[in-house]
This record gives sequence, structure tokens and C-alpha cells, in this order.
Amino acid sequence: QQQVKQSPQSLIVQKGGISIINCAYENTAFDYFPWYQQFPGKGPALLIAIRPDVSEKKEGRFTISFNKSAKQFSLHIMDSQPGDSATYFCAASMETASKLTFGTGTRLQVTL
Amino acid sequence: KAGVTQTPRYLIKTRGQQVTLSCSPISGHRSVSWYQQTPGQGLQFLFEYFSETQRNKGNFPGRFSGRQFSNSRSEMNVSTLELGDSALYLCASSLTGAAEQYFGPGTRLTVT
Repeated sequence: QQQVKQSPQSLIVQKGGISIINCAYENTAFDYFPWYQQFPGKGPALLIAIRPDVSEKKEGRFTISFNKSAKQFSLHIMDSQPGDSATYFCAASMETASKLTFGTGTRLQVTL
Repeated sequence: KAGVTQTPRYLIKTRGQQVTLSCSPISGHRSVSWYQQTPGQGLQFLFEYFSETQRNKGNFPGRFSGRQFSNSRSEMNVSTLELGDSALYLCASSLTGAAEQYFGPGTRLTVT
């Protein structure tokens, strides 16, 4: 049972544009929502995370928006750069547990 | 602080053999989780160890096992390898298991 749905599967954005990746979850017990960035040949790197007590969290060019009632959260990458080209995974877990449930990933390509 | 290290980075095994993968967590982290990453199934949780005890387990057959040592280093073992076990095996460390998990570079296992 896929508990975290991620879209789109792939995304092409021009340099300087905004990249938006969306995720939806089913399990209302989830209370921790991280985003990971993965480059080819590397392990996923923690990018930014949010808990449901806030609706938005910003770190540099990366922003998570969270909608608890809709059970959705999204990653916005402002002023996208070619170096942002990577695969992005959303995930969810219960903070009392270690198991991360991942989305299927979004391959982002930022063109010049 | 050194990151999560995994050895070996690449491994080729024959069907029916067994394999042991190793993970050294970030200094001070007591939780180690293991994930399998494949193109078809994405990132899937295998199990988590905390203070030498398995605390959480995913939906994988008993051929997949692990252990954790008193220094928090962890090993994962897969017995009777199948072609479908070919994957990137990722280890993640965390202070307590909940919230932030930091991934290593992974071990690429190929079963022929």
C-alpha cells in the first residue's frame, strides 16, 4: 500500500524558475515530513523537514508548504539552478518511529 | 563530523550466496536504519536498530537480517541471494531514530 504519493515523476524547469513538487499522504498518524535530495551515485541528503504544527517552513531557496486538512505537502525551489538537478523524494514518518515512508521521487532537470 | 560510511560500496554476488554489508553511523548516533532502493519499488524500509536491539522492521522476508554492535556500527545480512535483491542498500543514522535521518552513500549490490 503506497502511503505517500508524489508528483510529478519528472520536471524540467528553466534556470531562475520555480520548481514545485507535490506529495499527498494517507496515514493521519504521520507527523514528520522531510524532503530528501539525491544525486546519481549518492545517498539521499536531508534537505528540509516540517511538522504539522506549522503550515510553511523556509530554508534559503527551499520552502515546504503543508496542508494538514488536505493531507498534502509540497516543496518549492525558488530561483532554480542547474546544480539543483537531482531526484527529490518526499517522505513521512511518525516522529516516535524511525520508519520513513518515501514517495516515488521526482527527477528535476534545471536547464540553462 | 564524519558522515555515515558504508562498506563495501560495490558488490557482485551470485544467486544463492549470502552477503554482509556494513554501516558506521555518525558519531553519537545510536539509531541505524536500513533501506533498499530499486527503480521499481523505490526506497523501502528494511529495519532499524537502536542500542543493539531491532526496534522496527519492514515487510521483507527473513532472508534479510541485521545486527548492531555496542559502538552503534551495524551490519546487514542477506542470505540465499535472489536476482531481485539487486539494489542500492542504504544505511541511515539518527540520534534517536525519530526525526532527522542521515544517509550514507549506499552499497550497490548486483546479484547475477
